[in-house]
Amino acid sequence: NAGVMQNPRHLVRRRGQEARLRCSPVKGHSHVYWYRQLPEEGLKFMVYLQKENIIDESGMPKERFSAEFPKEGPSILRIQQVVRGDSAAYFCASSPLIQDLNTEAFFGQGTRLTVV
Amino acid sequence: KQEVTQIPAALSVPEGENLVLNCSFTDSAIYNLQWFRQDPGKGLTSLLLIQSSQREQTSGRLNASLDKSSGRSTLYIAASQPGDSATYLCAQTGANNLFFGTGTRLTVIP
Repeated sequence: NAGVMQNPRHLVRRRGQEARLRCSPVKGHSHVYWYRQLPEEGLKFMVYLQKENIIDESGMPKERFSAEFPKEGPSILRIQQVVRGDSAAYFCASSPLIQDLNTEAFFGQGTRLTVV
Repeated sequence: KQEVTQIPAALSVPEGENLVLNCSFTDSAIYNLQWFRQDPGKGLTSLLLIQSSQREQTSGRLNASLDKSSGRSTLYIAASQPGDSATYLCAQTGANNLFFGTGTRLTVIP
């Protein structure tokens, strides 16, 4: 049973380009969470998705950022017109249901985005 | 607003020492409390999960406790080894996500 798979592991984009980050959850998990980690900082919640639904996007910047989790395929975090401040590690986590007393959240290895 | 605080931010100990990492949270209505390890440039590895009805969990040399009334969790590492050097993060489960502390960077000196 593969864990959470994120790709690419490293992504370099020039300012103004688009970045697309992919996350395949643990098989059978229907809940996906995206977090951002700036250098020397903790993880900040961005968005929580279920299949075909955005449940909580309170941590997403209002502009340029979007996320989806389609019925088929991985979850995608999309950043348009990237700026230097978007450089960070982006982590994806999945769980069957995070409120379930018996569930853990499993994290991917992250995508390290560098904007040059 | 849920906040999770970890003290100290950094800790250095000689090999073999026992140590305690602290985590405080403001929201007593938690579901679970989870401890993670993060190595430099790597992802997060789940260490221990304490359900809200539990008081502690143990795995090998690690023991995590949870005191909801005081809003605290501790991670105890026995007989520390250089391989334990990493950043340790605690996370409180909220309604829709995990709230993370900023971590404690542990260095175990051989």
